[in-house]
Amino acid sequence: EPEVTQTPSHQVTQMGQEVILRCVPISNHLYFYWYRQILGQKVEFLVSFYNNEISEKSEIFDDQFSVERPDGSNFTLKIRSTKLEDSAMYFCASRDLIPGQNLYEQYFGPGTRLTVT
Amino acid sequence: LAKTTQPISMDSYEGQEVNITCSHNNIATNDYITWYQQFPSQGPRFIIQGYKTKVTNEVASLFIPADRKSSTLSLPRVSLSDTAVYYCLVGDLYNTDKLIFGTGTRLQVFP
Repeated sequence: EPEVTQTPSHQVTQMGQEVILRCVPISNHLYFYWYRQILGQKVEFLVSFYNNEISEKSEIFDDQFSVERPDGSNFTLKIRSTKLEDSAMYFCASRDLIPGQNLYEQYFGPGTRLTVT
Repeated sequence: LAKTTQPISMDSYEGQEVNITCSHNNIATNDYITWYQQFPSQGPRFIIQGYKTKVTNEVASLFIPADRKSSTLSLPRVSLSDTAVYYCLVGDLYNTDKLIFGTGTRLQVFP
């Protein structure tokens, strides 16, 4: 069964450093998302991306964040200058262009745990 | 987006049927009801989705009364591996595809 993959599984960085989190969505999917989950808290939407542009973003997704689809398979989330409060699990998700029976079926990756020290 | 209310936690034993009810009093006409499951340190996983009445798949059933102000996820004969957090989400799928998660229901299954 196709799945979303993410690398690295765990990233440790110092405050102020830039990080890039990588995702490979399911190959025929065209909608992409990033979510994050601070330890013990809710899963929070960050951004959705379609047709090489952001379609929706949350208040969390400020100027420090950016997303890119550099080639036909990868989808990245960049945090320019990390803060302590960026420490969280970051999940990538994707879905197909044409909804099937289940309109809300987004497929999530295993996540990248980002630790900012 | 309609706000949802679920129990914070539930306990069950292996082999029992578990019903998790979600309240969404302000559900709108175009809103669908979707349930996701999340295991520790993993991404959420889609379980089931419905608009009204009853939906069943190989994993669960979803019961939605006529007024749609609540819904019940039914897990038949749970096993230890069903221990997870279960999220009820309500939203207009044709105008936004961002998922808004609440705090969910933490289900603990005991042997």
